[in-house]
Amino acid sequence: EAAVTQSPRNKVTVTGGNVTLSCRQTNSHNYMYWYRQDTGHGLRLIHYSYGAGNLQIGDVPDGYKATRTTQEDFFLLLELASPSQTSLYFCASSDPPGGTYEQYFGPGTRLTVL
Amino acid sequence: QQQVRQSPQSLTVWEGETAILNCSYEDSTFNYFPWYQQFPGEGPALLISIRSVSDKKEDGRFTIFFNKREKKLSLHITDSQPGDSATYFCAASEETNSAGNKLTFGIGTRVLVRP
Repeated sequence: EAAVTQSPRNKVTVTGGNVTLSCRQTNSHNYMYWYRQDTGHGLRLIHYSYGAGNLQIGDVPDGYKATRTTQEDFFLLLELASPSQTSLYFCASSDPPGGTYEQYFGPGTRLTVL
Repeated sequence: QQQVRQSPQSLTVWEGETAILNCSYEDSTFNYFPWYQQFPGEGPALLISIRSVSDKKEDGRFTIFFNKREKKLSLHITDSQPGDSATYFCAASEETNSAGNKLTFGIGTRVLVRP
């Protein structure tokens, strides 16, 4: 079964802090995604990648960097965290084209910026 | 501007009733419409999906009705069960052969099924 794991599951930082969220998938999928989920906004795409070293800009990229170091690992970086980045962050993976377009989501990381 | 709209934001039904969740979209290039189900404390999971070449997709108690002309779709949950209590997200994308599946999500409908 597809597996996406995220760490940490919870994180509290202060304004201006440096945060790295980690995601690992063992699905052998090419595509990985970072979303944020906020009440009233649903899930919004921050960045995505179709392979190691590749990065594509999503719909809400401001204040976020991302890096795909291997096929399995995708990181989201907040270098100067702000309270507006307090949110629930999800990582997902999928394997189009040819494979299924289904996105498999991790359990989420709850980030609080004080 | 929200490209995928969902209504209602929350819905309460009794066990055994049919829950109807609505979704509409703006972008006429969208041709793939998945619905994701999310339980508290978990990530979303694909429930059922439809492509724009079809007007109906059924999977057990879950059915999608799709109206391409009006850019609307709905998810019907028949014989609702308390275990169906969750948030349901409508999403949309343009399937291509060269790019990833960049989904646009609605804000979700929170469904509560009372026993």
